[in-house]
Parts: sequence; structure tokens; C-alpha cells
Amino acid sequence: SQKIEQNSEALNIQEGKTATLTCNYTNYSPAYLQWYRQDPGRGPVFLLLIRENEKEKRKERLKVTFDTTLKQSLFHITASQPADSATYLCALGGFSGYSTLTFGKGTMLLVSP
Amino acid sequence: DSGVTQTPKHLITATGQRVTLRCSPRSGDLSVYWYQQSLDQGLQFLIHYYNGEERAKGNILERFSAQQFPDLHSELNLSSLELGDSALYFCASSVEAFSGNTIYFGEGSWLTVV
Repeated sequence: SQKIEQNSEALNIQEGKTATLTCNYTNYSPAYLQWYRQDPGRGPVFLLLIRENEKEKRKERLKVTFDTTLKQSLFHITASQPADSATYLCALGGFSGYSTLTFGKGTMLLVSP
Repeated sequence: DSGVTQTPKHLITATGQRVTLRCSPRSGDLSVYWYQQSLDQGLQFLIHYYNGEERAKGNILERFSAQQFPDLHSELNLSSLELGDSALYFCASSVEAFSGNTIYFGEGSWLTVV
């Protein structure tokens, strides 16, 4: 069956360190993968999109990698700040022909000062 | 502010009742998506409309239905409500229907069934 796995345990790191979140998937062949940030009780907010033919994407302090052989994406936040504390969701898309996204359950990131 | 507007923000209703959730997409967006988020299930895709037509269906129960109107706003109708339908319902929109689009989420409608 199709699965998207993100670490259900919260990731606790200290301010200034690099946070690395993992998204693994099975039985999908996504054309692209997206990362979203979600704060409690709020809607997810788009951060980055990476396509199947791209290995890495960067945006300011954010970096995403996409390995279609390993079926894995890594999401990095460098020089993390307490304001980065949130739940981060990965989402796969493009396999149905339409832009419908299938989301993982997310990983909570807690950055302490 | 994503530009996607959802009403109501909070709703409490009894089992067996019917409710309608409303969504106005971002200006210019033709696609509307509905998602359900509960603590144990995460964000579950329900249905996708593009320019008034249904494009894709996910885990939407038969008790639920949706439509997109000519002015592009959308409504999600939930009927014969059960306790397990309590969740946060999100609407999202994007410009097009096809892959690679960023989708923009509203702030959600909290539904509590008692």
C-alpha cells in the first residue's frame, strides 16, 4: 500500500543548529514533492517544491533534497530560530495527473533558545 | 494571509445534523481542494474541483458532497454527522489543475460534532 512516512516524534534542537527532517515514501512515483509549514490551528503554508528530475533546491535558510531511488526527501533548516518551531509536512503530487497533493502526517520541530 | 477565505471558522453541531462549509479561493484561482485534518489521520484529501468540474476524489465519504459554483466559490456539505467527523476542514486553491502548482490553504473550519 502507499505510504508517506515522517518521523512522528518531535525534533528538538538548539537555536543556531541545522534541523533535518525526513520524508520517506513507498509505492508512489511522484512527479514532485512539496514541503509545507503548519502552525497549531492554522492552514499549511507552502515552503518549497522540488521536481523528480531535481536533486536539490534552496531558498534562503531552507534546503530540500529529493532522491527518487531511495524514495526519500530531506528538509534542512540552517541557523534555526525559535520562530521556526512548527510542524513540517511533506506532500507528494503529480502521480494522478492533477495537482492533488497527498500529505504525510508531519514532524513537529521545536527550536529552543 | 493566503487569500483563501473559509467560513465558518468554528462550528458545533449535534450528531445526525447537516452542515455546509464555504470556501472562496484566491482571486484568479480556478482549482479548489478540500482536505480534512484530524489528530490521528493527518491531512486527508477529500475532493478537487477545477472551474466547476470535479477533477479528483479522495477519501470522501458518501455522506459528504461538494460543489464549485460559477463564481468559483465552493461548498462542502456534510450530512448525517457522526462524532468521528469532528475535525479541521481545510479548503485550498491553486491557479491550475495540473501538476507542479503551489496550493494555498485557508485557515480552516473547525467542526465539532457532539
